[in-house]
Amino acid sequence: AQSVTQLGSHVSVSEGALVLLRCNYSSSVPPYLFWYVQYPNQGLQLLLKYTTGATLVKGINGFEAEFKKSETSFHLTKPSAHMSDAAEYFCAVSDRGTGGFKTIFGAGTRLFVKA
Amino acid sequence: GAVVSQHPSWVICKSGTSVKIECRSLDFQATTMFWYRQFPKQSLMLMATSNEGSKATYEQGVEKDKFLINHASLTLSTLTVTSAHPEDSSFYICSARHDELGTYEQYFGPGTRLTVT
Repeated sequence: AQSVTQLGSHVSVSEGALVLLRCNYSSSVPPYLFWYVQYPNQGLQLLLKYTTGATLVKGINGFEAEFKKSETSFHLTKPSAHMSDAAEYFCAVSDRGTGGFKTIFGAGTRLFVKA
Repeated sequence: GAVVSQHPSWVICKSGTSVKIECRSLDFQATTMFWYRQFPKQSLMLMATSNEGSKATYEQGVEKDKFLINHASLTLSTLTVTSAHPEDSSFYICSARHDELGTYEQYFGPGTRLTVT
């Protein structure tokens, strides 16, 4: 069964600084990997996804992530944080397990951005 | 495209009553829909996978008699919380998979906040 580990339940950065949110996964088959953002009392918004092909994927709002199979990682980065980036971020993995494809989420990382 | 809606967006009910939450894929047919619950400041926990025309597959530890799932059509799945109790208060999120795209990406609804008093 697949699983996702997000290192750090809280990350705090200054506005303009680099954002790095860590995600490691386990999967017995090539996975699909996702990053979602959730603002308070709202649903999930897809930031970016990796399915096949180029391992560096770019998403919305200046975010990008790199799939590293050897490290089983899919860390999310953004060169310069903005106040509006403050939110909860979830890494997710989807692969074909018993019963078909389903998506499992990490515990989430809350990003704080300081002025 | 690929929009998923949920209704209602929030609901308050009394302990012991049942509540139905609807999940609709608005512009695509979803063979598979998923139901998640999220407690405050926690991650999403998969409750069940719903396939159109067949019984839902529940995750370990989820009571299928308490959380009734019906996937009557390719655009509608419902979650009924039966005999609700305060501990069932949570944020319930559905998602639908657009299989025709072949990406197996799930599209998420905006969520339904259930409060049981």
